[in-house]
Amino acid sequence: AQSVTQPDIHITVSEGASLELRCNYSYGATPYLFWYVQSPGQGLQLLLKYFSGDTLVQGIKGFEAEFKRSQSSFNLRKPSVHWSDAAEYFCAVGARGSGGSNYKLTFGKGTLLTVNP
Amino acid sequence: DAGVIQSPRHEVTEMGQEVTLRCKPISGHNSLFWYRQTMMRGLELLIYFNNNVPIDDSGMPEDRFSAKMPNASFSTLKIQPSEPRDSAVYFCASSLGANVLTFGAGSRLTVL
Repeated sequence: AQSVTQPDIHITVSEGASLELRCNYSYGATPYLFWYVQSPGQGLQLLLKYFSGDTLVQGIKGFEAEFKRSQSSFNLRKPSVHWSDAAEYFCAVGARGSGGSNYKLTFGKGTLLTVNP
Repeated sequence: DAGVIQSPRHEVTEMGQEVTLRCKPISGHNSLFWYRQTMMRGLELLIYFNNNVPIDDSGMPEDRFSAKMPNASFSTLKIQPSEPRDSAVYFCASSLGANVLTFGAGSRLTVL
């Protein structure tokens, strides 16, 4: 069964500083990897995804993530954080479901990002 | 598109009462997922449907929980009887084939 570990429960950064959120996964085949963001009281919004190809993927809001198979990691980065980036971030790994071409996602426990002015 | 629509957004009920959560997926999506989010356990997949058929319900906690998808545009998650430990945010999500999930805003359930 697949699993996701996000080692950092809470991270605080200053506005304008760079950001890296860690994600490690466990899955027996080529993973399908995702980062979602959740603002308070809201549902989850997709930031970016990796299915195949270039291991550095670009997402919305200036985020990027790099897939490193040797380290089983898919860390999320942003060069300069804005106050509006404060939210909870979830990494997820997708596995092909028994229904055929659809995928069920297993999520990490999330990393809460606080941005100081 | 209005996205995935969930109702109610907030529900407060007393232990032992029946709770029904509703979800309208995005039109054209053929997969629907129910997740539960708690502080302790994070996001857990409860059940998912493909073309209105339940595919994997291994995440449903116990027999008090049931889910149905009578047609492509509607699904329900029912808890009967409800217990305080069922208090959580319940998310519905839909997808088309292997594409990514689109989540609803969630239904926050409080069982007193």
